[in-house]
Amino acid sequence: SQQGEEDPQALSIQEGENATMNCSYKTSINNLQWYRQNSGRGLVHLILIRSNEREKHSGRLRVTLDTSKKSSSLLITASRAADTASYFCATDVTSGTYKYIFGTGTRLKVLA
Amino acid sequence: DSGVTQTPKHLITATGQRVTLRCSPRSGDLSVYWYQQSLDQGLQFLIQYYNGEERAKGNILERFSAQQFPDLHSELNLSSLELGDSALYFCASSATSRTPGGYTFGSGTRLTVV
Repeated sequence: SQQGEEDPQALSIQEGENATMNCSYKTSINNLQWYRQNSGRGLVHLILIRSNEREKHSGRLRVTLDTSKKSSSLLITASRAADTASYFCATDVTSGTYKYIFGTGTRLKVLA
Repeated sequence: DSGVTQTPKHLITATGQRVTLRCSPRSGDLSVYWYQQSLDQGLQFLIQYYNGEERAKGNILERFSAQQFPDLHSELNLSSLELGDSALYFCASSATSRTPGGYTFGSGTRLTVV
């Protein structure tokens, strides 16, 4: 079963609008990461947020983490057509195995 | 180019066959991870190696096996292939068995079993 699940499964917005994606997970984590995947390509690491952090920024990306709710959100501001991709959250499980479990992804489409 | 090299990019083979997927990690990375991505299952963690040793196992079938060689490249062996094994197989690498900086992914091998 998936550790993380993204919501919504798909999102379609106009260029210039903001896009918000959410990730919920089940067990305690050390950190959470967000990745982008263009169609059929490898995943690209976007940002990592540690369990003791609440918010992190990187360019047009803003990630929040609420460990009490076991959830995270990724906000892309002023979206561009090039942001069209699938976005995944990945959580490490604190069992000492140091592996990341990926969510099911949000497919974002930015219309020009 | 992410620095993680996967070969081949595409593979078409028949049911019952065996294939080997290869991954060369980014220079300096000791840890290699294999993931399977299919349409209905999302990205599934298969197995992790660190400096030649198996470190973690996920949803890897008994028909699948992997190893990491002294030069740190890794191979994923898939045998007795079934139609349902058709998927994208990704390799990722990181510097250590902990991944504070995130994984670097290869571009994947698309396996089609016919």
